[in-house]
Amino acid sequence: GESVGLHLPTLSVQEGDNSIINCAYSNSASDYFIWYKQESGKGPQFIIDIRSNMDKRQGQRVTVLLNKTVKHLSLQIAATQPGDSAVYFCAESSPGGFKTIFGAGTRLFVKA
Amino acid sequence: DTEVTQTPKHLVMGMTNKKSLKCEQHMGHRAMYWYKQKAKKPPELMFVYSYEKLSINESVPSRFSPECPNSSLLNLHLHALQPEDSALYLCASSQTGWGEQFFGPGTRLTVL
Repeated sequence: GESVGLHLPTLSVQEGDNSIINCAYSNSASDYFIWYKQESGKGPQFIIDIRSNMDKRQGQRVTVLLNKTVKHLSLQIAATQPGDSAVYFCAESSPGGFKTIFGAGTRLFVKA
Repeated sequence: DTEVTQTPKHLVMGMTNKKSLKCEQHMGHRAMYWYKQKAKKPPELMFVYSYEKLSINESVPSRFSPECPNSSLLNLHLHALQPEDSALYLCASSQTGWGEQFFGPGTRLTVL
């Protein structure tokens, strides 16, 4: 079936550096993408989303980039903080919504 | 109130038991979801309710039976589970089938 995957299972960065988490998706019909953050013992928490008619979207300290040509999206976190340590999932929704498929996840470690 | 609550937090059950997981939201969301998450894996969609009607069943075994008594409540009835069903069960809601999903903290289920 269709799936969303990630290039790296873990990422370790120094506090204050920028983080980049990558994601590849396989369903070219997907038109909505979301990044979620999951801390230990909690449910996933929405970070930022992007629709397929955009290639970049910025939030507070986060930016999502979408490259439909190579079916790739990335999450950039500026000035990474210890509180950013978590597992990050990209997810895709196909047209019509409702069905959300999560990628494998990347664990981000922030070193003080 | 932007919270999704789930009860119980933890549940241990035998293979012959019948139990139920409960989920509640008071955000007026019309879509509600059940996900299953195994350790170090992404959430996997099980069921989606839209306007209190089951709209997606991801070929989940019949030992899992969802119920949506009203627009704020979502139940998952469990019967004759297997040890491999042990996982974190997450409930989520969204305003429609699109957009941010709000997740509860999950119920950690152990089947003995």
